[in-house]
Amino acid sequence: GAVVSQHPSWVICKSGTSVKIECRSLDFQATTMFWYRQFPKQSLMLMATSNEGSKATYEQGVEKDKFLINHASLTLSTLTVTSAHPEDSSFYICSTRNGRVAKNIQYFGAGTRLSVL
Amino acid sequence: AQKVTQAQTEISVVEKEDVTLDCVYETRDTTYYLFWYKQPPSGELVFLIRRNSFDEQNEISGRYSWNFQKSTSSFNFTITASQVVDSAVYFCALSVPGGGADGLTFGKGTHLIIQP
Repeated sequence: GAVVSQHPSWVICKSGTSVKIECRSLDFQATTMFWYRQFPKQSLMLMATSNEGSKATYEQGVEKDKFLINHASLTLSTLTVTSAHPEDSSFYICSTRNGRVAKNIQYFGAGTRLSVL
Repeated sequence: AQKVTQAQTEISVVEKEDVTLDCVYETRDTTYYLFWYKQPPSGELVFLIRRNSFDEQNEISGRYSWNFQKSTSSFNFTITASQVVDSAVYFCALSVPGGGADGLTFGKGTHLIIQP
């Protein structure tokens, strides 16, 4: 069964609105989750590392004020795309890892396809 | 900085043929992990294998096998007797552990098409 649940799977929004994407770790507590972005027919790019109870660590070039990450519990991390614009349209995927069992193996959610009109 | 190169953008073979997907990586760290993931059209990434930098043993799992060679910084993936269900995009990835900041660096992926 799925290890990671990501919701919604697909969202269309108007330019200027904010969109929240949830990532839940179903089978274990995850102190660390990761957010990736994938443009069509391209690779996945790490956006940020989400740490439970502390601020997220953003990769170079990723605007932290635009992509707000909240990791308030050991099973839930959220990514909010604020004031979305068409260029933010992409496939967003989260992942978690179970550091106690299979270190460094990341399990991915099904992804969220965001289309900004 | 880490880098993963998958030179093959797309491979198309006929069912039952063997196919090898190439992966070359770059890192200055001596401890690292290599991965292969499969991404079917649905989009979800499926974990296939993890290999750490100290274990150069090749691995076989059913029709899948992996050849890790540190001397050439390669971690190639072979599918034997391919099937239509193997059609997907396959990503090779690298992570360097430590400090919690060990997100994956992905290659650009190889789109594998298995024709019936």
